[in-house]
Formats: sequence, C-alpha cells, structure tokens
Amino acid sequence: DIQMTQSPSSLSASVGDRVTITCRASQGISNYLAWFQQKPGKAPKSLIYAASTLQSGVPSKFSGSGSGTDFTLTISSLQPEDFATYYCQQYKTYPAFGGGTKVEIK
Amino acid sequence: EVQLVESGGGLVQPGGSRRLSCAASGFTFSGAGVHWVRQASGNGLEWVGHIRTKANSYATGYSASVKGRFIISRDDSKNTAYLQMNSLKTEDTAVYYCAVYSGYDSFFFDDWGQGTVVTVSS
Repeated sequence: DIQMTQSPSSLSASVGDRVTITCRASQGISNYLAWFQQKPGKAPKSLIYAASTLQSGVPSKFSGSGSGTDFTLTISSLQPEDFATYYCQQYKTYPAFGGGTKVEIK
Repeated sequence: EVQLVESGGGLVQPGGSRRLSCAASGFTFSGAGVHWVRQASGNGLEWVGHIRTKANSYATGYSASVKGRFIISRDDSKNTAYLQMNSLKTEDTAVYYCAVYSGYDSFFFDDWGQGTVVTVSS
C-alpha cells in the first residue's frame, strides 16, 4: 500500500502570508495526486487534481506542484476563508490520504 | 449539478450491523465508480472502499481495516450505492461520506456527499 505523509500537521499563519504544505508518497505515484480543503462540519472540497490542475472555480491563489513522490500545495496570500484543514490524496492505486494540515490563524 | 445524499447513520451496538445508502443525481450514475470515505471525530480522512461500474464487473476494493466486514454494492436502477457494515467495532464510529468522479470509473473522486454519522457504542 502507498502511504502519504503530510507536513506540517498544523501551522499558524497571518492573513496575507504565503503558505506551503508538503506531501510525500511512500513510492512513486507520477502525478496522481489531489488536494482537498475541509472546514469544520463540512465535507472535503476538491481543490487540485493531477498534482497541479485547479478545479473549476478554485481561485488562482492555490497552486500545486510535484511529481513522483514529493508534492506541495501553496496558498499565495492567505485569506480568512482559507483557514481550514488540507489533505493530500494519492489515486494511483486504492486511494490514500495524508494525515492533514490544519491551517490556523496566528 | 452532482448531488450525493447519504443516509442510514445512527447508533448501533458493537457487533451489530448497519446499511448506509448513497443516493445520487445530476450525472450518469451507472458510469461512475462510487467510493466510501470515513472520518472519526477529530481525525483525518480514511478511504473505506469502492465499487466499480458494470463495465468493470462491479468490482470492489476495501481498506484493510474493513475488509471482510464491510460490503459495498450498488443499484444502478435506483442511482444508489450501499455500504453494508457488519461486525461493527467502536473504532468504526465516524462520519461516512460517499464520493464520485461523476461519469467516470476511477480511483479519483471530487464530488462528496454531506456525510452520515455512525456511532458504535453500547
């Protein structure tokens, strides 16, 4: 099974900050990597698929990069609505999620 | 617009069974694989399993934590998928979501339901 490791597990940031979250796969997954945002009490929302392709309607402040085993999600200028938990997920084989990164207000 | 509505959650005793439903609309259900994902309170997301389409022989796959206890099925005539949970344990307590990539049979999914809560407790 492919394991996904996210870091950090949490971070504190201010409005306007640039934030980067990393995700590592235990073996190569090409670009079969998605990112989700989840707010408390809500279902996850798809942000990015194929490692770097933004879902329709997702603002361009979100970007994804990487291939193989190492991936990043970047939020270029954090806004109040971006405080949430973010998950990476590989879908090269049976899906597996990273442990999540909680982005909190500093 | 894709809509997924889970139902069937509730309180169940350890060792008991429960069947969840996922009613779909807004896309060609028969052409989509259906995934189940769960989330225990305060925890991360865990993929539970999936069912493929008729074209792929309704093949199923499960995570190690539920294999042999949970069964996923579907009724394309009703645009509904099911998660039959047997031999439930307290650690199965979670919000259960169904998810799809509308119109495709894939390991990828991007549309989620709102979830249904299952509590396993005596």
